[in-house]
Amino acid sequence: QSVLTQPPSVSGAPGQRVTISCTGGSSNIGAGYDVHWYQQLPETAPKLLIYGNSNRPSGVPDRFSGSKSGTSASLAITGLQAEDEADYHCQSYDSSLGDFVFGGGTKLTVL
Amino acid sequence: EVQLVESGGGLVQPGGSLRLSCAASGFTFSNYWMSWVRQAPGKGLEWVANIKKDGSEKYYVDSVKGRFTISRDNAKNSLYLQMNSLRAEDTAVYYCASKTTVTTGGYFDYWGQGTLVTVSS
Repeated sequence: QSVLTQPPSVSGAPGQRVTISCTGGSSNIGAGYDVHWYQQLPETAPKLLIYGNSNRPSGVPDRFSGSKSGTSASLAITGLQAEDEADYHCQSYDSSLGDFVFGGGTKLTVL
Repeated sequence: EVQLVESGGGLVQPGGSLRLSCAASGFTFSNYWMSWVRQAPGKGLEWVANIKKDGSEKYYVDSVKGRFTISRDNAKNSLYLQMNSLRAEDTAVYYCASKTTVTTGGYFDYWGQGTLVTVSS
């Protein structure tokens, strides 16, 4: 069981907006540690998508945005495209464990 | 262009050993903390180990402490993971990743393509 909780799957039609939640606790997200997001296309390695809660690395489209509030964070994808179909993973740091922690991953299906 | 290329994965029996390597290029390797992250088949990501820029500090997830050793050779731009006493639950794709450290935690900015480790008799 992952320290950070994500929905196993979400779906949306092309052009729509979807959000993926990431829920933690008082020793990780709630303690002020940043949340980061990774996109993993089928059969490929993860790629950094959002860092520091809401920052996009160079080359990531502004259709992707991140936010954080309290013990949770969210990834929003607007203008959904077929190429966005992938697994999305959130990540933070947990001070009780002294470990970097991930969510279980969310599979995004574009209908 | 940043490149991280892992090697050394394969099939090993329970209790056996394996050494993974990661060759880095396209960035100043010695300026980065480095990490290993693994993904069991059909599962999420799990952080395994970190090593400081100069190798002076190392951190591990509890499940591998005492069995795995992370190391690096900055002269060769290479990262290693020595895995001993392997168990079936260590079966996963192992990714090498560079880590950016900030006061509010850290994140993995570049990833290799991964190498598959299968522990089975």
